[in-house]
Amino acid sequence: SQTIHQWPATLVQPVGSPLSLECTVEGTSNPNLYWYRQAAGRGLQLLFYSVGIGQISSEVPQNLSASRPQDRQFILSSKKLLLSDSGFYLCAWSNGGRTEAFFGQGTRLTVV
Amino acid sequence: GESVGLHLPTLSVQEGDNSIINCAYSNSASDYFIWYKQESGKGPQFIIDIRSNMDKRQGQRVTVLLNKTVKHLSLQIAATQPGDSAVYFCAEIAGGGYQKVTFGTGTKLQVIP
Repeated sequence: SQTIHQWPATLVQPVGSPLSLECTVEGTSNPNLYWYRQAAGRGLQLLFYSVGIGQISSEVPQNLSASRPQDRQFILSSKKLLLSDSGFYLCAWSNGGRTEAFFGQGTRLTVV
Repeated sequence: GESVGLHLPTLSVQEGDNSIINCAYSNSASDYFIWYKQESGKGPQFIIDIRSNMDKRQGQRVTVLLNKTVKHLSLQIAATQPGDSAVYFCAEIAGGGYQKVTFGTGTKLQVIP
């Protein structure tokens, strides 16, 4: 069966510090991968999606970047965090067809 | 369309009543739709899906209705329970290309005991 792992679950970082959130998927190959951000009490905002290794599409201009060094690994990064980067970050995967997306448990990031 | 920084609308329902959560989707080329439930502090979980060649699909206590003419999707929850309290998102997938999953704004359902 397929599983998705996302870590850490919570993170408190100072403004200006770097960020690296990791997401890995098991039990499938060549998944579509997504990073979403969710501000408190708000909807899901798609940040990045990837259809394959090294292929990253950005949905909104921002202080973050994403990389896909391996087929089932998706990394969200920042060189210097801003206060506005605080939020709940969700990684997800799908098979790329007409199927549901499966979500990780999320990372609660607080930038102080 | 994309939920970009919008405050979630809230639906308050008495326990035992039926709930109806609505969603307007944006892409007329979308041909697959999903409802997700997100409990506080967790990732969204799949509830039910429907393909564009259908206008209704039923699950356990949930029914999804699709009206392609007006690009509208609804989720009906029968006999709403306190455990149904969560945020509900609809999602659409368009045919062709790599089929990105696009989420709606989301609705917060509050069940009143």
